[in-house]
Amino acid sequence: QTVVTQEPSLTVSPGGTVTLTCASSTGAVTSNNYPNWFQQKPGQAPRALIYSTSKKHSWTPARFSGSLLGGKAALTLSGVQPEDEADYYCLVSYGGGTYVFGTGTTVTVL
Amino acid sequence: QVQLVQSGAEVKKTGASVKISCKASGHTFTSYYTHWVRQAPGQGLEWVGLISPGGDRSSYAQKFQGRLTMSRDTSTATVYMELRSLRSEDTAVYFCATDLFGYGDLTSWGQGTLVTVSS
Repeated sequence: QTVVTQEPSLTVSPGGTVTLTCASSTGAVTSNNYPNWFQQKPGQAPRALIYSTSKKHSWTPARFSGSLLGGKAALTLSGVQPEDEADYYCLVSYGGGTYVFGTGTTVTVL
Repeated sequence: QVQLVQSGAEVKKTGASVKISCKASGHTFTSYYTHWVRQAPGQGLEWVGLISPGGDRSSYAQKFQGRLTMSRDTSTATVYMELRSLRSEDTAVYFCATDLFGYGDLTSWGQGTLVTVSS
């Protein structure tokens, strides 16, 4: 069974920068895995932030960016705002119509 | 974007089945893949499966093989997810979400349906 691992929790100061990563138990995450990133706040459905590694939606704040870093997908928040405090999940495609969510990262802004 | 409205909360006994609906409006529903995602209380997101835009192909996470069926009624722009042989660990909020290109870009989400399984 494929496991996609994220940092359980990260703390960042307002205005700071934090990078979340997404690692696959099957090997390197590449652009062919079309990694996506989602933000979820308590009691809400997730919201799409990044698709296909680094593409942003019209509603994605400019301070969010996606990339590949050392065989992992990465989400960087630059100039963090208090409203960025949330859970973040990556979603990785493994072809054949199968996907796996990452374990999730709780970002605390403190 | 597509607007998705899901059916209401369900309470089921262990071993029973549940069928949840996800009705779309606002865009051409038949253009989108529809995924199902679940979230157990206090836990992370879990990908359950997807159904193709035309409803002719489905893909399920391995752990649900044999007890999960997804279907689509294009006449009513509704997608269904049926999970059978329910266990207590199936207690979760189930979300439907749409994906235009089939790469996991889940841009529109339903409000979620709580399924509670107890003995």
